[in-house]
Amino acid sequence: GQSLEQPSEVTAVEGAIVQINCTYQTSGFYGLSWYQQHDGGAPTFLSYNGLDGLEETGRFSSFLSRSDSYGYLLLQELQMKDSASYFCAVIFSNTGKLIFGQGTTLQVKP
Amino acid sequence: NAGVTQTPKFRILKIGQSMTLQCTQDMNHNYMYWYRQDPGMGLKLIYYSVGAGITDKGEVPNGYNVSRSTTEDFPLRLELAAPSQTSVYFCASSFSGGADEQFFGPGTRLTVL
Repeated sequence: GQSLEQPSEVTAVEGAIVQINCTYQTSGFYGLSWYQQHDGGAPTFLSYNGLDGLEETGRFSSFLSRSDSYGYLLLQELQMKDSASYFCAVIFSNTGKLIFGQGTTLQVKP
Repeated sequence: NAGVTQTPKFRILKIGQSMTLQCTQDMNHNYMYWYRQDPGMGLKLIYYSVGAGITDKGEVPNGYNVSRSTTEDFPLRLELAAPSQTSVYFCASSFSGGADEQFFGPGTRLTVL
């Protein structure tokens, strides 16, 4: 079967750095994506890792280790608007089929 | 571009009723997806399509049907609604599947009573 594990909640202060981990067990792994979802809104794409290593996009970075079946999302210089849910999602075929984790709720405090 | 649009935004159904959730994208994307999201949970794939005339099941297809007669439209049909289908439904699209970013519509909030 397919499963992803991520922490349910993380709290951090404005300006800090936070890391959200994701471990997965899937067959036919193609890549790992991260999506952000504000309360009541639609998910929006943040990043994709197809190969091992770090991908950086502005304040956000994402890391993948295929051998460890592990990835993380790193958010730097946290802002209040970063308070949202963050989902890792495994892509397990070239059709783009996604299996989502249950999400991590990030609360940024002043 | 409007992106991905969904109608209706909200709907209340009685048990046993049927309805169609509409999804349209104007980005000429080949791939389209339907997800459901229960409170506090991640999204689960219901059905997907890799192009007009081609559809396939996702993780949770039971109780739903889809069709894809055009590139733009990907309606989701609920037959004989049940309380377990109370959820938020998101439609998404991407240009070429795989690692491509998926663009999501605003969602339809469905309650079955």
